[in-house]
Amino acid sequence: QVQLVQSGAEVKKPGASVKVSCKASGYTFTSYGISWVRQAPGQGLEWMGWISAYNGNTNYAQKLQGRVTMTTDTSTSTAYMELRSLRSDDTAVYYCAREWYSSSGWWFDPWGQGTLVTVSS
Amino acid sequence: QSVLTQPPSASGTPGQRVTISCSGSSSNIGSNTVNWYQQLPGTAPKLLIYSNNQRPSGVPDRFSGSKSGTSASLAISGLQSEDEADYYCAAWDDSLNGLYVFGTGTKVTVL
Repeated sequence: QVQLVQSGAEVKKPGASVKVSCKASGYTFTSYGISWVRQAPGQGLEWMGWISAYNGNTNYAQKLQGRVTMTTDTSTSTAYMELRSLRSDDTAVYYCAREWYSSSGWWFDPWGQGTLVTVSS
Repeated sequence: QSVLTQPPSASGTPGQRVTISCSGSSSNIGSNTVNWYQQLPGTAPKLLIYSNNQRPSGVPDRFSGSKSGTSASLAISGLQSEDEADYYCAAWDDSLNGLYVFGTGTKVTVL
């Protein structure tokens, strides 16, 4: 079955960087993109950006431009999200999700299990 | 911050019909299709409805979606206890460089 498995929880100090991985299985990795979504404690969902697993093209949310980098390793079917210059308000659960795109729209299915990133001094 | 507005909460007794609204603008719902995600407590979101009114395989037909103009809605008919969750609408937004926007979320409680 299609599955996205993410790396484990991280605790980082303000100003540090974090890199979260998302390993895909059950489908042809390069046929779909991967989006990253985060959710602060008790808050809603925030789209962070997207990467094409086919050619590496990216589209980042404007508020994260310059701090986020998304990459893929097609040899291991793994996507990565690195966030730099961490602040306390970056504390959140980070999700990866497989992107579906067609003429009728753009949606995410399935999602990874989530990775809690805690930023604290 | 979210650009799609949902009511913070909705509730109903088992068997009732509950409707959740999602209000957007011409740059998102007005020009793109709407998706809905269900997030059960302590779990990752799950796709519930895509392309305004399409259900993925395995989603019960108790869930239905619709869209009109710059608004959308999700209906849950025959409410069940396992439907207690947070529900988010979402759509692509054509403003700036383009981004995917989520609604503010609605907590559904089964009384």
